[in-house]
Amino acid sequence: QSALTQPRSVSGSPGQSVTISCTGTSCDLCDYNYVSWYLQHPGKAPKLIIYDVSKRPSGVPDRFSGSKSGNTASLTISGLQAEDEADYYCCSHAHITIGVFGGGTRLTVL
Amino acid sequence: QVQLQQSGPGLVKPSQTLSLTCAISGDSVSSNTAAWNWIRQSPSRGLEWLGRTYYRSKWTNNYAVSVRSRITINPDTSKNQFSLLLNSVTPEDTAVYYCTRDPGFCVTCYDSWGQGTLVTVSS
Repeated sequence: QSALTQPRSVSGSPGQSVTISCTGTSCDLCDYNYVSWYLQHPGKAPKLIIYDVSKRPSGVPDRFSGSKSGNTASLTISGLQAEDEADYYCCSHAHITIGVFGGGTRLTVL
Repeated sequence: QVQLQQSGPGLVKPSQTLSLTCAISGDSVSSNTAAWNWIRQSPSRGLEWLGRTYYRSKWTNNYAVSVRSRITINPDTSKNQFSLLLNSVTPEDTAVYYCTRDPGFCVTCYDSWGQGTLVTVSS
């Protein structure tokens, strides 16, 4: 059971938008002002797509956006494309534990 | 562009020591802004941060509580790399191990990852 809860799966059609939530359920030391998001294609290493809740690294399309409300962070992917099909993970800064990950969400592009 | 190249055995016997190395190109293990981490991923435990080393006038290591008694992360400035040692391994330590960089422009994020090493603990 991860300290950060994500839906197991979400889906959407090409061109649509999807939102993945990340809720702190058992992470007393998590700081939800510092959440990052990663996508992972099968057999590959995770890739950073959002950091500090809503900032995008250079080269990441602006179709990817992040937000936060209380202890829930969200990743929104707009204009879904086939290559967005992947696993998505959130990660929160946490005191002592440093990085705490969510259990991951499988995005299926229909 | 930062690249991380991992090396080390993929099979370790129970009770022995897991040893992996991560060679850095495009940055320095002695960077005053970055931190160098080990993260593992398994079906049962998901993504799990294990520990980090970084230099800010002196070397500092931080380790996850779950492995603190068994883990050592060492920087090697002469080869610009860092290593992971995890002793007394059990089958529960079977996972894909990644070395990563926290670049320092964020509060805990990992912008560069090694290719991953599947380590199986089995006799």
